[in-house]
Amino acid sequence: QVQLQESGPGLVKPSQTLSLTCTVSGGSISRSTYFWSWIRQPAGKGLEWIGRIYDSGSTNYNPSLESRVTMSVDTSKNQFSLKLKSVTAADTAVYYCARGRRPMFDYWGQGTPVTVSS
Amino acid sequence: QSVLTQPPSVSAAPGQRVTISCSGSSSNIGNNYVSWYQQLPGTVPKLLIYDNNKRPSGIPDRFSGSKSGTSATLDITGLQTGVEAEYYCGTWDGSLNAFVFGPGTKVIVL
Repeated sequence: QVQLQESGPGLVKPSQTLSLTCTVSGGSISRSTYFWSWIRQPAGKGLEWIGRIYDSGSTNYNPSLESRVTMSVDTSKNQFSLKLKSVTAADTAVYYCARGRRPMFDYWGQGTPVTVSS
Repeated sequence: QSVLTQPPSVSAAPGQRVTISCSGSSSNIGNNYVSWYQQLPGTVPKLLIYDNNKRPSGIPDRFSGSKSGTSATLDITGLQTGVEAEYYCGTWDGSLNAFVFGPGTKVIVL
């Protein structure tokens, strides 16, 4: 059973960089069939796709966030990461990592809440 | 503002059926598979339907999906008392080169 677990600071100051890591267990991240995504959800609002990365390092980002987002993958650790720079209060949300295949997400992490505040 | 459109809410009595629509365009639903997700309050979204109409293992056949042109539909039969959840559709948008979610539909059990 594939499991994903997000980790990272729960509080980030405005203008700083949000950094999260997703650790994948129960399966290898190095399968080109899948891609690995970050999705976020502000309190009381809907889901927003942030971007995806393949084990090759190839990425696609949400155009609305592309200028601030960087995703990376470490196949040796079975992890992938998110960096979102110049954060504001609007970036406060629960951040999920998820495994994707075709246009769907079959496994999700439990989510980690991130608050942007001074 | 999502490129996909869903009704904010739908409602029905326990045991009845609801239909949730997801409307898009040729750049998304019209040329890509649609998936649906259920999110119960305070929980992680769960995949209900993928490839328009396929159910992952463990998803009951009370949930069914379909697609026609630039719209997709999720049908839920046998609504359960006390189980109110948010449902999201999602697909790839070739123009945006991004995955897009619908705004979500809350199912209210009367």
